[in-house]
Amino acid sequence: VQLVESGGGLVQPGKSLKLSCSASGFTFSSYGMHWIRQAPGKGLDWVAYISSSSGTVYADAVKGRFTISRDNAKNTLYLQLNSLKSEDTAIYYCARGRTGYFDYWGQGVMVTVSS
Amino acid sequence: DIQMTQSPPSLSASLGDKVTITCQASQNINKYIAWYQQKPGKAPRLLIRYTSTLESGTPSRFSGSGSGRDYSFSISNVESEDIASYYCLQYVNLPWTFGGGTKLELK
Repeated sequence: VQLVESGGGLVQPGKSLKLSCSASGFTFSSYGMHWIRQAPGKGLDWVAYISSSSGTVYADAVKGRFTISRDNAKNTLYLQLNSLKSEDTAIYYCARGRTGYFDYWGQGVMVTVSS
Repeated sequence: DIQMTQSPPSLSASLGDKVTITCQASQNINKYIAWYQQKPGKAPRLLIRYTSTLESGTPSRFSGSGSGRDYSFSISNVESEDIASYYCLQYVNLPWTFGGGTKLELK
């Protein structure tokens, strides 16, 4: 199992960014997937989930601003981040879902929101 | 939302010590707790799921126990490679919530 995130960077407040997570080593379409973030020097916060059938759930802090999606043909998970705030600055990890918990994680991608 | 209160926030141990970390949930989580290890600059790694089931590759010196609202995670015979931060996760109810983390350091 391998998960590789990309798309991070420095972005101004109010702007948008789209993260990608490329999956390999397992049947991507059969698994729910998550995004989890970690602000610098802080703990872990779950952000969003998409089921194998593309049902979605979001944390209150990002609901209405972030959109999780998937392309099973490309074995890729996405997170569209809109209306970014400074408090969204974090490392964003994608993780595979497994009957509730997260078993495999990517290496993470840094998103910095600053003017 | 279920709150996970993890303690202590930091822990200092000598090689060979036994250490224990606790997580208390704000409500009964029916043993749906997992424990993760995170080394600096690395992604978290799943060690234990469903309170006490060790993931493949997790050394037997790691263990978990608990029920209801109260859970614990222990490392017997701490080794240098165990120096990391540890997090609990409840997965009984949405949204998924983590404990605040415990940083294990060498004394």
